[in-house]
Amino acid sequence: QVQLQQSGPGLVRPSQTLSLTCAISGDSVSSNSASWNWIRQSPSRGLEWLAGTYYTSRWYNDYAVSVKSRISINPDTSKNQFSLQLNSVTPEDTAVYYCARRGCSGGRCFYDYWGQGTLVTVSS
Amino acid sequence: DIQMTQSPSSLSASVGDRVTITCRASQSISTYLNWYQQKSGKAPKFLIYAASSLQSGVPSRFSGSGSGTDFSLTISSLQPEDFGTYYCQQSYSIPWTFGQGTKVEIK
Repeated sequence: QVQLQQSGPGLVRPSQTLSLTCAISGDSVSSNSASWNWIRQSPSRGLEWLAGTYYTSRWYNDYAVSVKSRISINPDTSKNQFSLQLNSVTPEDTAVYYCARRGCSGGRCFYDYWGQGTLVTVSS
Repeated sequence: DIQMTQSPSSLSASVGDRVTITCRASQSISTYLNWYQQKSGKAPKFLIYAASSLQSGVPSRFSGSGSGTDFSLTISSLQPEDFGTYYCQQSYSIPWTFGQGTKVEIK
């Protein structure tokens, strides 16, 4: 059974960097059959995919255009986890942040496992 | 980006009722459509993929249908534990996008 455990601060000051980590158990961050993603949820934006990382011979990272200039996702194979960094945050970045695994079956893919969520508030 | 629009935004139904939620995509997505259930304060739970395939462990009272731009999620006999918000999500093109959600309340 795959489990994702999130950690990181719930309060970030404006213009600072939001950092979250997602620890994986029951699967590998280097899996050839999964990707590892960050998704956030807010009343104004709903559920919004932010970034994903996956390994097939080499590492690939994908980012949402809306945050591409200030976001980074990084896998850590030594700890079997991946992290999110979002720079220059504003109150609009206030949201519940989730990590999620993208799995596939029969050529169709979906977010099948999710972390518990972290409410991140951007405020001074 | 592909826009996903759900209707209704909320509904209230009695235990045993048949409930249907619809989801419309802004362009054809074949059957690249997934459904999730979310309860307050929890992460979304994956229910259905490829428009109509039930994830393992999901009760058979849940079913999905549709292709192209129009999809539906049906609960054949609503149970008390089915309350929550339901989201559709397209996996046809990046970025994957979600509907705005349909809140299901038990009368």
